[in-house]
Amino acid sequence: QSALTQPASVSGSPGQSITMSCTGTSSDVGGYKYVSWYQQFPGKAPKLIIYEVSNRPSGVSSRFSGSKSGNTASLTISGLQAEDEADYYCGSYTSINTRVFGGGTKVTVL
Amino acid sequence: QVQLVESGGGVVQPGGSLRLSCAASGFTFSYYGIHWVRQAPGKGLEWVAVVSYDENNKYYADSVKGRFTVSRDSSNNKVNLQMNSLRAEDSAVYYCAREAITAVGAEDYWGQGTLVTVSS
Repeated sequence: QSALTQPASVSGSPGQSITMSCTGTSSDVGGYKYVSWYQQFPGKAPKLIIYEVSNRPSGVSSRFSGSKSGNTASLTISGLQAEDEADYYCGSYTSINTRVFGGGTKVTVL
Repeated sequence: QVQLVESGGGVVQPGGSLRLSCAASGFTFSYYGIHWVRQAPGKGLEWVAVVSYDENNKYYADSVKGRFTVSRDSSNNKVNLQMNSLRAEDSAVYYCAREAITAVGAEDYWGQGTLVTVSS
């Protein structure tokens, strides 16, 4: 149950697009179409923003999009806004309905 | 509206025990699995445990297996996490989260968390 690997930080200017990665193994990210992404502000609970690799829950901005290739999933934020500054975590379904999360990526809007 | 409210956190000595509760409301509790996820101060999310909607399946992270036990109290719409033999590395904010039915492998609602500090 090793954590998924995410870059510690990603930054971009307002209006730009940024992409962050989430690398696992064939036992988690690569083995299932069940990667999710969560947004977390300081002192707050995580919020689901992407599920099943690329689906957005109702109410989540279309500026957030997800994809996957092999053992690596990616989250892209288009048209970056100041309000997007937060920590982002990927999570993956693993066998027998357990979960594994990444270490998180801090997004900074320059 | 869907609400998950954790309680039971606090300060406990190494080797001690603590029981966390997650009170659910605003949805049909018996339909949903519930996960526990923790976050040490300044660190990332760590999955801890899950109990299925019918309590037939329970799974644990290797780091807590044999020390933590998850259970459901369906009469009170609660999920409990009994934590024994606590260690300093168990110190974290503990969140309960509802397993999404229409989103496989994702948790769609989270509580606000309860802080557990293991220290002498």
